[in-house]
Amino acid sequence: GAGVSQTPSNKVTEKGKYVELRCDPISGHTALYWYRQSLGQGPEFLIYFQGTGAADDSGLPNDRFFAVRPEGSVSTLKIQRTERGDSAVYLCASSSGGNEQFFGPGTRLTVL
Amino acid sequence: KQEVTQIPAALSVPEGENLVLNCSFTDSAIYNLQWFRQDPGKGLTSLLLIQSSQREQTSGRLNASLDKSSGRSTLYIAASQPGDSATYLCAVRTGQNFVFGPGTRLSVLP
Repeated sequence: GAGVSQTPSNKVTEKGKYVELRCDPISGHTALYWYRQSLGQGPEFLIYFQGTGAADDSGLPNDRFFAVRPEGSVSTLKIQRTERGDSAVYLCASSSGGNEQFFGPGTRLTVL
Repeated sequence: KQEVTQIPAALSVPEGENLVLNCSFTDSAIYNLQWFRQDPGKGLTSLLLIQSSQREQTSGRLNASLDKSSGRSTLYIAASQPGDSATYLCAVRTGQNFVFGPGTRLSVLP
């Protein structure tokens, strides 16, 4: 595709529910990153994929958060038992060789 | 642990002024530094990428410099325009991931 796409653009859920956020990177980009951004702050790193494997998942806040990239392209961020504190914009970025990152428009998650 | 700060947090200037945004980082062992702009409610748009071996990069009215030894980068915007109003973020690549600063919110007044 022309750029990084993310779906849905907005997600409203209730506390305790399970959500999945999808990221479709730029075609051919082997590196994929997930970030979380709260209002007025810079993006906070969550996880980095190189190909199909998670090369660095040190930013995942706890075991309720999990991400996959089974075929080395599309990635899904999964959040179990959502909490109000999980409300944020979730951003995905891709790059070629770990250099310049290109970001998607983000998914705004609201947990009621 | 890498920490990135940006000064000022917010800046308001009249149209036409030249301005400088600052980014500081605590660990000089970086691979590269990238500047982004973010419009309200939108994702990040890449502006400039500086590799650790480079001193500066230019794109149009934008010029970014990097002084790795002192842990600083500056983004210079020449002849500012109202369309430049946005939040500007810097990010440094340390190891496998990127660490972002909190951003500088810029308003250019017509």
